[in-house]
Amino acid sequence: NAGVTQTPKFQVLKTGQSMTLQCAQDMNHEYMSWYRQDPGMGLRLIHYSVGAGITDQGEVPNGYNVSRSTTEDFPLRLLSAAPSQTSVYFCASRPGTGVGQPQHFGDGTRLSIL
Amino acid sequence: AQRVTQPEKLLSVFKGAPVELKCNYSYSGSPELFWYVQYSRQRLQLLLRHISRESIKGFTADLNKGETSFHLKKPFAQEEDSAMYYCALRGTYKYIFGTGTRLKVLA
Repeated sequence: NAGVTQTPKFQVLKTGQSMTLQCAQDMNHEYMSWYRQDPGMGLRLIHYSVGAGITDQGEVPNGYNVSRSTTEDFPLRLLSAAPSQTSVYFCASRPGTGVGQPQHFGDGTRLSIL
Repeated sequence: AQRVTQPEKLLSVFKGAPVELKCNYSYSGSPELFWYVQYSRQRLQLLLRHISRESIKGFTADLNKGETSFHLKKPFAQEEDSAMYYCALRGTYKYIFGTGTRLKVLA
């Protein structure tokens, strides 16, 4: 199993550009989430999904879109990149049921907006 | 409100000294708590979960419902323990993370 795979690992964008961060998992997990990690602020939830076709907003959803057409994939779209979106982005997944089930994280995408 | 608080942004200790990383939570139900570790520029990895009552890499954490705490402890710190540590609470649909504590173990 590859686990949670994120692409690309690094990306530099210009203000106003759009792009999609890819996330795929091969563990048949129902729940998937996107976080951004910023110094001193920990991990903040952007969007999450509890199954194919079902998504919801987290703490900091503005400027981002998600969709979940399959169990495996959960792409994150930046509509019009802004310097404030410079961050490290992590995707995570976990089973929908079961006590004590942890989240599994991808390696992250380092995104710089100029 | 569901919340996780890690009061220390940075904790520096000498090699061989005891370590305690603090975590307090706010949750109305029966909490599920986790500690994650992130080594430099790597993915977050699960370190401990309270339900397992395990010891991983010498670390332990006990859930104290009275004090709403889940502090991470290790009796003798090693240089390889230097990393970012996050406490996390499992909510209804999502995890709530603390802001993290950077542990530096000095030689």
